[in-house]
Amino acid sequence: VQLQESGPGLLRPSQTLSLTCTVSGGSINSGEFYWTWIRQPAGKGLEWIGRMYSSGSTDYNPSLNNRVSISADTSTNQFSLKLRYVTAADTAVYYCARECRISGCYGRADYWGQGNLVTVSS
Amino acid sequence: DIQMTQSPSSLSASVGDRVSITCRAGQSIISYLNWYQQKPGEAPQLLIYAASSLHSGVPSRFSGSGSGTDFTLTINSLQPEDFATYFCQQSYSVPFTFGPGTKVDI
Repeated sequence: VQLQESGPGLLRPSQTLSLTCTVSGGSINSGEFYWTWIRQPAGKGLEWIGRMYSSGSTDYNPSLNNRVSISADTSTNQFSLKLRYVTAADTAVYYCARECRISGCYGRADYWGQGNLVTVSS
Repeated sequence: DIQMTQSPSSLSASVGDRVSITCRAGQSIISYLNWYQQKPGEAPQLLIYAASSLHSGVPSRFSGSGSGTDFTLTINSLQPEDFATYFCQQSYSVPFTFGPGTKVDI
């Protein structure tokens, strides 16, 4: 399984961040997994952004104040992140990951993309 | 949100040493605790899940223990490739949260 993020690296404040994660070697329709976004500001810790399931259900981090949405395109085996009204505080490396959904391994993120640096600056 | 803390925040060790890192959750998370290793410029990699289960391909010198609120990651016989930052993560309730990290250096 491989995951690969893609998207712009530079945004202006108030714009919408849009990133896509392309999954190969596995289907995002699999009932065993969530598909997740996590971010990491430079030199800092990891923040869980949210996740989606193949049914279309989603969970988001409330700290993002309803600015986030995650969706999937099953025809291309991709899932996407949108974060609206970005500020400098949203500058970070954004990772997509596969997260286990079943008992025994619930919540573990076993495959990650290499990360996509997004900088918000005027 | 469940707050996660780690100690120490950094430690210095030598090849061959045994190293232990502690993670504490703000409430009981049963055994929903994962450990990741991250090297500079790379994505985190899963080491341990469900507090004590070794992820496939991870060397057996890594082990995890604990339940409830207190957890430990132990590295037996530290190897040069183990110098990295280690994060714990609770997967008991969303939003999943991570500890601040422990940097292991020489």
